[in-house]
Amino acid sequence: DQQVKQNSPSLSVQEGRISILNCDYTNSMFDYFLWYKKYPAEGPTFLISISSIKDKNEDGRFTVFLNKSAKHLSLHIVPSQPGDSAVYFCAASVGTNAGKSTFGDGTTLTVKP
Amino acid sequence: DVKVTQSSRYLVKRTGEKVFLECVQDMDHENMFWYRQDPGLGLRLIYFSYDVKMKEKGDIPEGYSVSREKKERFSLILESASTNQTSMYLCASTQNSPLHFGNGTRLTVT
Repeated sequence: DQQVKQNSPSLSVQEGRISILNCDYTNSMFDYFLWYKKYPAEGPTFLISISSIKDKNEDGRFTVFLNKSAKHLSLHIVPSQPGDSAVYFCAASVGTNAGKSTFGDGTTLTVKP
Repeated sequence: DVKVTQSSRYLVKRTGEKVFLECVQDMDHENMFWYRQDPGLGLRLIYFSYDVKMKEKGDIPEGYSVSREKKERFSLILESASTNQTSMYLCASTQNSPLHFGNGTRLTVT
């Protein structure tokens, strides 16, 4: 039973446009959510997080939205840049102990110049 | 900046061999983790440790063991490597959140 799902394996957008990456979860105990970005031949790096007491968190070009009733979160990148091309992993945990996060499969984002 | 170093980028081992994957972090983090990454399966937690000499099983511990003799070092051991353990292995550390990952070890078992 996959508790965190990223249903789109890949996404392609034009430079300057918005990228929207989606993530769904099934475990209602999850209350802390993170997005990581991974370039080829590198480990994932932390991008942005959100606690369940919020429905939005913004950091520069990156915004994460959380819809608790739908058990859905999304990452918006505006404007998208070619350097954003990477694999994006959604992760969820109970509490802020992110080490025991459950990860999604990842979405490969390609931003075309 | 946190640095998590995995000793090998690529490893090729034969079925039945004992394999050691080493990980060192330089930020005095209490918590260290081993994940494996497989296409279509995301990152799955193998083992983790909250302190020296402490270890706990993650979601897929079968066929693996770990060792944490020093705070900065966390080793993953494949007692008898099998072909289904061919994967990308990622070590991570954190004091609380978020995770800081190493660059991974691509292990191929033939």
